[in-house]
Amino acid sequence: QLQLQESGPGLVKPSETLSLTCTVSGGSISSSSYYWGWIRQPPGKGLEWIGSIYYSGSTYYNPSLKSRVTISVDTSKNQFSLKLSSVTAADTAVYYCARHGGVRWLQLLYYFDYWGQGTLVTVSS
Amino acid sequence: EIVMTQSPATLSVSPGERATLSCRASQSVSSNLAWYQQKPGQAPRLLIYGASTRATGIPARFSGSGSGTEFTLTISSLQSEDFAVYYCQQYNNWPPGLTFGGGTKVEIK
Repeated sequence: QLQLQESGPGLVKPSETLSLTCTVSGGSISSSSYYWGWIRQPPGKGLEWIGSIYYSGSTYYNPSLKSRVTISVDTSKNQFSLKLSSVTAADTAVYYCARHGGVRWLQLLYYFDYWGQGTLVTVSS
Repeated sequence: EIVMTQSPATLSVSPGERATLSCRASQSVSSNLAWYQQKPGQAPRLLIYGASTRATGIPARFSGSGSGTEFTLTISSLQSEDFAVYYCQQYNNWPPGLTFGGGTKVEIK
């Protein structure tokens, strides 16, 4: 059974960089069939896709966050990571890592089928 | 960016009754739409993809329909465990990205 687990600081100061890691177990992050993504949810609000990465290192970012986001992958550790720079209180949220598919037999599979439990990151001094 | 709009924001339903949730896209997403269920303190769970295909292990009382810009999630007979928030997500516009609706909370009437 595939499992994803987020880890990282729960408190980040304004203007600093938020850094989270997602560890994947029960499957290989190097599978050619899947992408690995980050989604966030401010308290009491909806879901926002942050970005995704393919095992090869190709990245795709939400245009609204692109200037501040970096997602990377470490296939040797079966992990991928998120960095969000210049954070403000508006970046306070539960951050989820998740898996989605790509394209198979002309069918788009970019929906999230496995999710981590989420980790709350608070931006405050 | 494709904007996803869900309605209503809150739906009050009695157990055993039918619930109908709507999701509208600002432009056509074909059938590239998914539905998720989220309970308090939990991660979202995939219910439906391809607008109408149930994910593994999802009960038959959940059904999805629609294509283009108008989509519906129907829960035929609400069980106690179905009271939650439901989100739609389009994945037709890749790249640049994926967008979610604002959610519909299904609460006990």
